[in-house]
Amino acid sequence: EAGVTQFPSHSVIEKGQTVTLRCDPISGHDNLYWYRRVMGKEIKFLLHFVKESKQDESGMPNNRFLAERTGGTYSTLKVQPAELEDSGVYFCASSLGGTFTYEQYFGPGTRLTVT
Amino acid sequence: TQLLEQSPQFLSIQEGENLTVYCNSSSVFSSLQWYRQEPGEGPVLLVTVVTGGEVKKLKRLTFQFGDARKDSSLHITAAQPGDTGLYLCAGGGGTSYGKLTFGQGTILTVHP
Repeated sequence: EAGVTQFPSHSVIEKGQTVTLRCDPISGHDNLYWYRRVMGKEIKFLLHFVKESKQDESGMPNNRFLAERTGGTYSTLKVQPAELEDSGVYFCASSLGGTFTYEQYFGPGTRLTVT
Repeated sequence: TQLLEQSPQFLSIQEGENLTVYCNSSSVFSSLQWYRQEPGEGPVLLVTVVTGGEVKKLKRLTFQFGDARKDSSLHITAAQPGDTGLYLCAGGGGTSYGKLTFGQGTILTVHP
């Protein structure tokens, strides 16, 4: 069974540009999460989808970040326009529903560098 | 805001030694996960504990969830160089359904 995949693995963009990150969860996982780790800090929650609906987006930093999960399958996270402080590693995770919700499986991450 | 304090931040030991990593919070969590992360990869789930006082063993690794579900520990017996890596604890549930709250991580280096 394929794990969580993320694309691209690395992205280097200039301040003010737009970047779109993609996440493909494990097949059959209704829950999809985005997390971010900035340099020297712990991994922090951004948002949580249940199927195509946003369950919790309390961790989204500001309105420059837009996440979608059309059809309840893969998800995209767009940053527009990117700022220097957006640099970091963006992780996607997925989990089954019900009592296994907390067992989240992570993708390899996308390293975003904003120059 | 839920916080998880993980300690120590760095641990450098010799092969064969034992070690313990701690994860503490003032908040109650419904579950506690331990992950291991290698450079360039995402966190890999090692174990989930959900019951206060629960102990789980994974070969030489022993995981414990505190009775009050506010703290957890990871104990490694007879560490090997292959145990080298970043260990992360993450709490689930409590006041925020679904999302995980992560500790800062412990970088473990086991010297041959």
